[in-house]
Amino acid sequence: EAGVAQSPRYKIIEKRQSVAFWCNPISGHATLYWYQQILGQGPKLLIQFQNNGVVDDSQLPKDRFSAERLKGVDSTLKIQPAKLEDSAVYLCASSLGDRGREDTEAFFGQGTRLTVV
Amino acid sequence: KQEVTQIPAALSVPEGENLVLNCSFTDSAIYNLQWFRQDPGKGLTSLLLIQSSQREQTSGRLNASLDKSSGRSTLYIAASQPGDSATYLCAVLSNDYKLSFGAGTTVTVRA
Repeated sequence: EAGVAQSPRYKIIEKRQSVAFWCNPISGHATLYWYQQILGQGPKLLIQFQNNGVVDDSQLPKDRFSAERLKGVDSTLKIQPAKLEDSAVYLCASSLGDRGREDTEAFFGQGTRLTVV
Repeated sequence: KQEVTQIPAALSVPEGENLVLNCSFTDSAIYNLQWFRQDPGKGLTSLLLIQSSQREQTSGRLNASLDKSSGRSTLYIAASQPGDSATYLCAVLSNDYKLSFGAGTTVTVRA
C-alpha cells in the first residue's frame, strides 16, 4: 500500500512570509497527525484529526498556524506569518484510528524541512 | 498529560556490541508503544509495535519489552552494525488516543 505522502520536501522562506504544507494519508486512515520536530528534539504534536474533526489542537499556535482536513482525507498545515523559531521538520502521520484496538499503528511521511531566514 | 523520557540521549558503541535503549512513560493507560528509527533528514520508520497486553515483540535482531505497570520499555539491538547508527524514538499511544514521543536516543556504532 502507498505510504503517507507529504510535500514539499524542503522549503526556505523569509520571516513574515506564509507557507503551506500538504499531507495525503494512507487510504482509509481516519486519524491524521501533524507534528513539529525541532532539531535535536522529539516530535511535538500540533494537531490531531479524527476524520475531518479536530481531536486535539492544544499545542497549535493558533495566532499563526492553521490546519484543515478536507473531506476527512488530505490535510494542509499553514503558517502565516512565519517566525525564525518555526524552522523545523513538519511530520504528518496517519493511523486507522479504530479506537479500542491495541494494534493501531502510526505511519509517518518523509516530512517537510522548513527553514525560515 | 503523558510524559515520555528516553535515556540515554546519546550512545556510542563499537561494532558487534549489543545496544540497550530505554523509554519510560508516566501514564500506564496506554493502547500500545511503538519504536521508530529516524535517519538524519528523514521521516520516521516504524520498527516494532508492542500492544498493551503484550510483554515483548521481536523482529530480527530487535527485541522490545514492555512493562506497562512500571511505565517502561526497552529496545535491545543485538550485534550492532554501523548501519544501525540513527536516532531511535519511542512513542506511546495513550487511551485518549494521543501519540506522545520521547526526545530520542542517538546511536553511533563505530566500525
